[in-house]
Amino acid sequence: QQQVKQSPQSLIVQKGGISIINCAYENTAFDYFPWYQQFPGKGPALLIAIRPDVSEKKEGRFTISFNKSAKQFSLHIMDSQPGDSATYFCAAEGGTALIFGKGTTLSVSS
Amino acid sequence: GAGVSQSPSNKVTEKGKDVELRCDPISGHTALYWYRQSLGQGLEFLIYFQGNSAPDKSGLPSDRFSAERTGGSVSTLTIQRTQQEDSAVYLCASSLAVGGGYEQYFGPGTRLTVT
Repeated sequence: QQQVKQSPQSLIVQKGGISIINCAYENTAFDYFPWYQQFPGKGPALLIAIRPDVSEKKEGRFTISFNKSAKQFSLHIMDSQPGDSATYFCAAEGGTALIFGKGTTLSVSS
Repeated sequence: GAGVSQSPSNKVTEKGKDVELRCDPISGHTALYWYRQSLGQGLEFLIYFQGNSAPDKSGLPSDRFSAERTGGSVSTLTIQRTQQEDSAVYLCASSLAVGGGYEQYFGPGTRLTVT
């Protein structure tokens, strides 16, 4: 049973554009929702995270939007840059280990 | 400071052989996790350790997989009688504690190839 569904699987965006990645979860016990960024040959690294008591969190060009009633959250990357090209994973946690989505490969063309 | 380290970085083994993968967590982190990353499948939780508590083994895919953590620090993931479907990148992560929104810091992974 896949508890966190992520889309799209891959995404191509022009430099300066907005990248949007969506995730949906099923377990209402989840109370922490991080996004991880992974470059080839490296382990994932925390990018930004949100708790369900807020609807949006912004850090620089990265924003998480959270819709508790719909059990959905999304990552927006503003002014996307070639250096943002990586694989992005959403995740959810309910007091134990992280449950990850299957990942989105983002390619930002210059 | 030093991050999470894993060894070896790459491991090629023949089907049926046993392998051991090592993880050195960040000093002071009481929680240690193992995940498996297969192509197109995201990161799959395998097992976690929290301090001296019994590990949560709920993600281990079969009894061929086991892990231990000695002295609350270094951990070893063992796969017995390896199968081709075990080929994947095995990632280790550590955090100050389990859950609670504590950031998990990942190592670079061990790429396992079973021929």
